[in-house]
Amino acid sequence: KNQVEQSPQSLIILEGKNCTLQCNYTVSPFSNLRWYKQDTGRGPVSLTIMTFSENTKSNGRYTATLDADTKQSSLHITASQLSDSASYICVVSARRGGSYIPTFGRGTSLIVHP
Amino acid sequence: KAGVTQTPRYLIKTRGQQVTLSCSPISGHRSVSWYQQTPGQGLQFLFEYFSETQRNKGNFPGRFSGRQFSNSRSEMNVSTLELGDSALYLCASSLRLEGDTEAFFGQGTRLTVV
Repeated sequence: KNQVEQSPQSLIILEGKNCTLQCNYTVSPFSNLRWYKQDTGRGPVSLTIMTFSENTKSNGRYTATLDADTKQSSLHITASQLSDSASYICVVSARRGGSYIPTFGRGTSLIVHP
Repeated sequence: KAGVTQTPRYLIKTRGQQVTLSCSPISGHRSVSWYQQTPGQGLQFLFEYFSETQRNKGNFPGRFSGRQFSNSRSEMNVSTLELGDSALYLCASSLRLEGDTEAFFGQGTRLTVV
């Protein structure tokens, strides 16, 4: 069964600090891994998309890494801001024929305090 | 350009009723996917439509159905509503099949079943 596990479940940090969120998956056959940011009451917004051959991708202060051998990904947030307070969701897609089947993690809830 | 529009934003229905939710994708996008989000289960994939054809489906009962029109707008229908169907329903649009490219989410429709 395809699964995506995220840790920690929640995280509280001070503004300006860095943090790293983890995503472990057992999805096969692997197609791509995405990180989304979801603010309360809003739809998710894509941060990064990585395929099998990519091991790092950045989007401003967000940097995602992927280790396809260990089936782990991390999202590193640099110099956190109050607006980074949100839920961060890891999604791994499997390719089946001509379609993609996404499996979602439960998300990490990040709170940034001033 | 306009983002993904979901209507209505909020809906209250009674058990046993049926409901239809609407999603207008970004202009030019041909893929629309639907998701259910609950505090207990997180985000779960319902189905994806591409060029008016359902390309894949998640593990939901047949009470959940959808369709896509020639202009790429999509509707999702839930029949015989149950209390457990209370959730945030999100749709996302993308240029190609969602697993292959960036997806853009709407604000969601908050469905409450009483």
